[in-house]
Amino acid sequence: KAGVTQTPRYLIKTRGQQVTLSCSPISGHRSVSWYQQTPGQGLQFLFEYFSETQRNKGNFPGRFSGRQFSNSRSEMNVSTLELGDSALYLCASSLNRMTDTQYFGPGTRLTVL
Amino acid sequence: AQSVTQLDSQVPVFEEAPVELRCNYSSSVSVYLFWYVQYPNQGLQLLLKYLSGSTLVKGINGFEAEFNKSQTSFHLRKPSVHISDTAEYFCAVSGDKLSFGAGTTVTVRA
Repeated sequence: KAGVTQTPRYLIKTRGQQVTLSCSPISGHRSVSWYQQTPGQGLQFLFEYFSETQRNKGNFPGRFSGRQFSNSRSEMNVSTLELGDSALYLCASSLNRMTDTQYFGPGTRLTVL
Repeated sequence: AQSVTQLDSQVPVFEEAPVELRCNYSSSVSVYLFWYVQYPNQGLQLLLKYLSGSTLVKGINGFEAEFNKSQTSFHLRKPSVHISDTAEYFCAVSGDKLSFGAGTTVTVRA
């Protein structure tokens, strides 16, 4: 069974631009969660989508948004990029609930210049 | 709200020696606890999880953890480490979302 895939793996943007990251979950998984990982803040929860609905949201500004499609693939968008948005963005999928094992993708490394 | 505190940021250990990574949690609801490992330039991989039942949980790669409700702890142990265990380890608690600790970097030396 193929794992969670994230595209692109690396991305360089400049301040003020916007970016869209993509995540394809494991086949059959309906829950997709997004996390931001930085050396200073560690792993922080961004949001979770289940059956195309945002089920939970972390404490991030409205510049961070996401969506999920009917095939469970998910995208997250960051508008008006700031230097502090430089991070590894991880996507995780699970069958249904947050208590199910979450399977993580390799991440997208975003650098904002 | 739930939170996790990993008590050690870095743990150096010699090959074939035992290792213990400490994790304390706080949660106002039912507790589901996890340990994940992150190898360099990779995503996270589940080592083990506690949902209910036996307080001693066995995971992959010889790791085990013990859930202690009275001490609100979920420490991770391995009796004999290998060089390949060098990685960052994260404790996490699940309530309405998965909350991670700051991570413990384990460096195994020959």
